[in-house]
Amino acid sequence: GQQLNQSPQSMFIQEGEDVSMNCTSSSIFNTWLWYKQDPGEGPVLLIALYKAGELTSNGRLTAQFGITRKDSFLNISASIPSDVGIYFCAGHAGNMLTFGGGTRLMVKP
Amino acid sequence: EAGVAQSPRYKIIEKRQSVAFWCNPISGHATLYWYQQILGQGPKLLIQFQNNGVVDDSQLPKDRFSAERLKGVDSTLKIQPAKLEDSAVYLCASSWGGGSSYGYTFGSGTRLTVV
Repeated sequence: GQQLNQSPQSMFIQEGEDVSMNCTSSSIFNTWLWYKQDPGEGPVLLIALYKAGELTSNGRLTAQFGITRKDSFLNISASIPSDVGIYFCAGHAGNMLTFGGGTRLMVKP
Repeated sequence: EAGVAQSPRYKIIEKRQSVAFWCNPISGHATLYWYQQILGQGPKLLIQFQNNGVVDDSQLPKDRFSAERLKGVDSTLKIQPAKLEDSAVYLCASSWGGGSSYGYTFGSGTRLTVV
């Protein structure tokens, strides 16, 4: 089946630093989605990317849909303590959404 | 708009017992999904409904798991009998469907602990 490789698995950064995480796949996706999951909650959509090469921002978040349609990255600028959580990439193709393994972000004030 | 509603939020059962989870999707969403999320991993799709029909249940352990979506709205997921490895968060999600990811929204999940 489809698999998404998400890296890094975890990051521990200082408040104010920029963060970058990415996902790669051996399969092509039509849509890339980035979610954040807080403890005890379901994933919440941060950014959706619908076209290869698309670069989209949402506040301090920026994500890109790779040209090959097999990868995507998410950047967070000027991190703050509330950015703490687990970030998941997900690729959508057909009727299926496949998730990466997640990146656990920890921010030191 | 109201989100995806799930209940219960938490459930603790002994192995070999049965358990059921309930999901009410966003109004108008044709597609409903059940995911299993084991601690430290990303969600894994168990079953997908389009209205009241099953689109994909290839990863559903059918010897013990069952799901239904009567009338194409609410859905229940059942485990009978439960095993220790079924301990996980069970997430329900819904979307407008039609092959699009538009509107894909998750509920808060049900955390199941099997002891």
